[in-house]
Amino acid sequence: EAGVTQFPSHSVIEKGQTVTLRCDPISGHDNLYWYRRVMGKEIKFLLHFVKESKQDESGMPNNRFLAERTGGTYSTLKVQPAELEDSGVYFCASSPRSPSGTGLNQPQHFGDGTRLSIL
Amino acid sequence: GENVEQHPSTLSVQEGDSAVIKCTYSDSASNYFPWYKQELGKGPQLIIDIRSNVGEKKDQRIAVTLNKTAKHFSLHITETQPEDSAVYFCAASRRNFGNEKLTFGTGTRLTIIP
Repeated sequence: EAGVTQFPSHSVIEKGQTVTLRCDPISGHDNLYWYRRVMGKEIKFLLHFVKESKQDESGMPNNRFLAERTGGTYSTLKVQPAELEDSGVYFCASSPRSPSGTGLNQPQHFGDGTRLSIL
Repeated sequence: GENVEQHPSTLSVQEGDSAVIKCTYSDSASNYFPWYKQELGKGPQLIIDIRSNVGEKKDQRIAVTLNKTAKHFSLHITETQPEDSAVYFCAASRRNFGNEKLTFGTGTRLTIIP
């Protein structure tokens, strides 16, 4: 089974430019999450998709960030325009839907991340 | 919201000795506690998890304990080996039904000294 795949692995852009990150979750996983780790701090939640619907976007820092998951498969995270404080590592994770009626959290599997550097 | 604190931030142990990393959480509704290992250039890899209805879980050299009353959980690695060197993250999450986001600790850099 292929794991979570993220593209690109690294991106270096100038302040004010636009960057789009892509995540391909594990096949069949309804849940897709975006997290980021800034300046060696803790990994912080950005948003959660269930299929193509945004379930929770409480962690999105501002309206310069736009996430989509058209068709409920892969997801993109666009930053426009990029600012210096957006530098960090952006992780994507996916998990299957919990068994019906159990309400049990399912393990989240992470990709290797995209290291984003804003100059 | 949930707050997870993790200690220590760095830990060095001799090969073959045990390592213990501790985390505390603030939200009494949290019921799922995974531990992740992150190697250089890689993403976090789930190594063990525990749910709130269990006090301890073990998988070979790795064990996790949970004290719901005190709101803390710990990772124990026995018979450490060089390949255990990595950054370890604890995390906490509330019950499902639409809200599964993980809140992470700040990480522990574990170094195994040969």
